[in-house]
Amino acid sequence: NAGVMQNPRHLVRRRGQEARLRCSPMKGHSHVYWYRQLPEEGLKFMVYLQKENIIDESGMPKERFSAEFPKEGPSILRIQQVVRGDSAAYFCASSPTTPGGGYGYTFGSGTRLTVV
Amino acid sequence: GQQVMQIPQYQHVQEGEDFTTYCNSSTTLSNIQWYKQRPGGHPVFLIQLVKSGEVKKQKRLTFQFGEAKKNSSLHITATQTTDVGTYFCAVAYSGAGSYQLTFGKGTKLSVIP
Repeated sequence: NAGVMQNPRHLVRRRGQEARLRCSPMKGHSHVYWYRQLPEEGLKFMVYLQKENIIDESGMPKERFSAEFPKEGPSILRIQQVVRGDSAAYFCASSPTTPGGGYGYTFGSGTRLTVV
Repeated sequence: GQQVMQIPQYQHVQEGEDFTTYCNSSTTLSNIQWYKQRPGGHPVFLIQLVKSGEVKKQKRLTFQFGEAKKNSSLHITATQTTDVGTYFCAVAYSGAGSYQLTFGKGTKLSVIP
């Protein structure tokens, strides 16, 4: 019973390159969330998706960032033209229901993005 | 948006001492969740509190939800080195028509053996 799978675990990109982060939710979970965590800081919400739909992207920067959760395959967080300030840990979480349904989020191991 | 204030930001304790972290909100909460993140790891769900005045225990961990549902606490009795990590509270926030978790900034616990 695999948990939330994220890859790659570590990603190094040069300034101006693109970063693609992948997340496969737990089996049976249809709600996917992406969070960003800077060193020594909390988790900042970015985007909430269900299959083929972006439900809430209010936490996502307006430019360079996009997310998708296609009918087949993992959810993808894409960062174009990365800058040093994008260096962070990006966590994906999934749940079977919206918060308050008695279920917590199950988090993946995260992708540590370093922009050089 | 809805926010929770979490204090303290850091706590250093001697092994065997107790530890408490607090979350406070200016608005009434429908529920609150608690997570633990080990150094270098990912957040792990601990518990959800829903009812006013609710108290739940998990071994040495005691979770409380205030009577007014505006604050919550996590208390660890007789800390051990395995308790090291950052403890986050999280509340469901309805933003942009959806419903997702907003996390507090966390309390980082260090345990001195």
